[in-house]
Amino acid sequence: ETGVTQTPRHLVMGMTNKKSLKCEQHLGHNAMYWYKQSAKKPLELMFVYSLEERVENNSVPSRFSPECPNSSHLFLHLHTLQPEDSALYLCASSQDLSYGGEAFFGQGTRLTVV
Amino acid sequence: SQQGEEDPQALSIQEGENATMNCSYKTSINNLQWYRQNSGRGLVHLILIRSNEREKHSGRLRVTLDTSKKSSSLLITASRAADTASYFCATVLYNQGGKLIFGQGTELSVKP
Repeated sequence: ETGVTQTPRHLVMGMTNKKSLKCEQHLGHNAMYWYKQSAKKPLELMFVYSLEERVENNSVPSRFSPECPNSSHLFLHLHTLQPEDSALYLCASSQDLSYGGEAFFGQGTRLTVV
Repeated sequence: SQQGEEDPQALSIQEGENATMNCSYKTSINNLQWYRQNSGRGLVHLILIRSNEREKHSGRLRVTLDTSKKSSSLLITASRAADTASYFCATVLYNQGGKLIFGQGTELSVKP
């Protein structure tokens, strides 16, 4: 148990569906991240939030929409996804973005787009 | 291209042997971290080494950092079957905040 919880663990959705991934951390951290992990590829940093403000958006398609209502919660809203978006989506948090310390990861959501 | 690249991509050893994984990176860093991932699960932090450090130990893990060569190595001594996992290095780039940039990872298989 890392203190970072992601739900759901598995998600199958059609290309016309709208769904949301949820991440919650109970560590008192100020920075939260979304990563995408596809087979045989490095982890791709998608979004970074620091104190609820988005500080990074790595050219992610608009069909992925993040939301950070407070420093403990992070969402990734999904709509009209493509099959190539199937991947493991990982949420992480760290104490402070400027500190550069260790990140704590959730167990991930395995997303399959059909 | 990616900031961190691990070598080898896959490594298979017998229990009790040592496993060495290498990581190379391209630009100046604040620190370098190693993570472990069991199949299809989240990553777990193993060890962090700062740019002004050359070697660090944690239990059976030994990490070295050579900033002149922009490379790091992770040594796992006396490996166990439970060490089977993917291992990733991640760099925190100098003057670019605390974002972690990951390499492709090394898949380690330890056979009993």
